[in-house]
Amino acid sequence: AQSVTQPDIHITVSEGASLELRCNYSYGATPYLFWYVQSPGQGLQLLLKYFSGDTLVQGIKGFEAEFKRSQSSFNLRKPSVHWSDAAEYFCAVGAEVTGKLIFGQGTTLQVKP
Amino acid sequence: DAGVTQSPTHLIKTRGQQVTLRCSPKSGHDTVSWYQQALGQGPQFIFQYYEEEERQRGNFPDRFSGHQFPNYSSELNVNALLLGDSALYLCASSFQGANSYEQYFGPGTRLTVT
Repeated sequence: AQSVTQPDIHITVSEGASLELRCNYSYGATPYLFWYVQSPGQGLQLLLKYFSGDTLVQGIKGFEAEFKRSQSSFNLRKPSVHWSDAAEYFCAVGAEVTGKLIFGQGTTLQVKP
Repeated sequence: DAGVTQSPTHLIKTRGQQVTLRCSPKSGHDTVSWYQQALGQGPQFIFQYYEEEERQRGNFPDRFSGHQFPNYSSELNVNALLLGDSALYLCASSFQGANSYEQYFGPGTRLTVT
């Protein structure tokens, strides 16, 4: 069965530091992969997506992610974190055929001034 | 361009009652999916509607039902509410003709069951 694992429940970084959030997936074929961000009490905003092609994808708000098939990973990165990036981040995989998204448990990002 | 809208924003119900949540998809989208997000968890897929039919269902009991209207808007109904149904209910819309995996979410409805 498809699944998504986000190994880090909570991450704290200093403002201006670089960020990497980890995501591992279990899926038989080439997956459709997504990163979403959720601010407290809000819905999910799509940051970026990978369907095929270039394994390094650019998203909104200066985020990027790299698809590594050999490691079944799709890690999210940002070179310099801003205080406004503090939020919950979810990695998701699109389940084959159905259009259903399977989400990880999320990583809470805290940004220190 | 209006995004996905949901109503109401918050709702408090008593165990055993029934609730209806509403969703209007993003302009140009024809598919609506519903997710339940318990506190501290990732969203869990409930079901998806396309062409007014339920296409796919997650691991949720029959107490959860839905409907899609000709204008693509959708409702989620939950009967015989349990305390465990307290959660944020998220609606997501997508366009079937392109890639239904690319889903855009509404702000959610916070349901509290007491």
